[in-house]
Amino acid sequence: RKEVEQDPGPFNVPEGATVAFNCTYSNSASQSFFWYRQDCRKEPKLLMSVYSSGNEDGRFTAQLNRASQYISLLIRDSKLSDSATYLCVVIPSGGYNKLIFGAGTRLAVHP
Amino acid sequence: NAGVMQNPRHLVRRRGQEARLRCSPMKGHSHVYWYRQLPEEGLKFMVYLQKENIIDESGMPKERFSAEFPKEGPSILRIQQVVRGDSAAYFCASSPPDSYGEKLFFGSGTQLSVL
Repeated sequence: RKEVEQDPGPFNVPEGATVAFNCTYSNSASQSFFWYRQDCRKEPKLLMSVYSSGNEDGRFTAQLNRASQYISLLIRDSKLSDSATYLCVVIPSGGYNKLIFGAGTRLAVHP
Repeated sequence: NAGVMQNPRHLVRRRGQEARLRCSPMKGHSHVYWYRQLPEEGLKFMVYLQKENIIDESGMPKERFSAEFPKEGPSILRIQQVVRGDSAAYFCASSPPDSYGEKLFFGSGTQLSVL
């Protein structure tokens, strides 16, 4: 079983749509959670951290369910510029940036 | 304030040659991480280094791969006797001490192609 699992997609949605991505992780001792964005195999960039209380940044909302070991990302009012691969990332316990990446979910937003 | 600098951006090697990938961390960052991304896959952790020390190399293949981060100069990822399966994007990231994800910055990567 992979440490971090994501639906690879692609998700093809029209502009303005709401789209949700899910991710599950296997290590219950994991301590930090993030969503990264990667464009065309360029370097990944941090989109947002994920907390149990949920957090929102503009059109993006992330949620963590520790009991189910499940992470979600919701994008509202999709823009063409949101087209990218979204990477679910987990840091297991250990105290440093040993990031465990999911394989990513591809999003394509069309006019 | 320059970001994480990696060079070369693209590297082409024939099977059996050596590949050297360089990474200069952001100013003030003393921790360096190397990740590899194979085609159609996610990034995989390879190694974590601090100046002159390898802290965690659990993701490094046992043979042909080595990494260093000397007191002076960039971090180097070295692949000896490359094979076609080594073709991938290699990303370096740096962070200050005691940070988790939010202060980790990636370089633009080196795309290694083995002919």
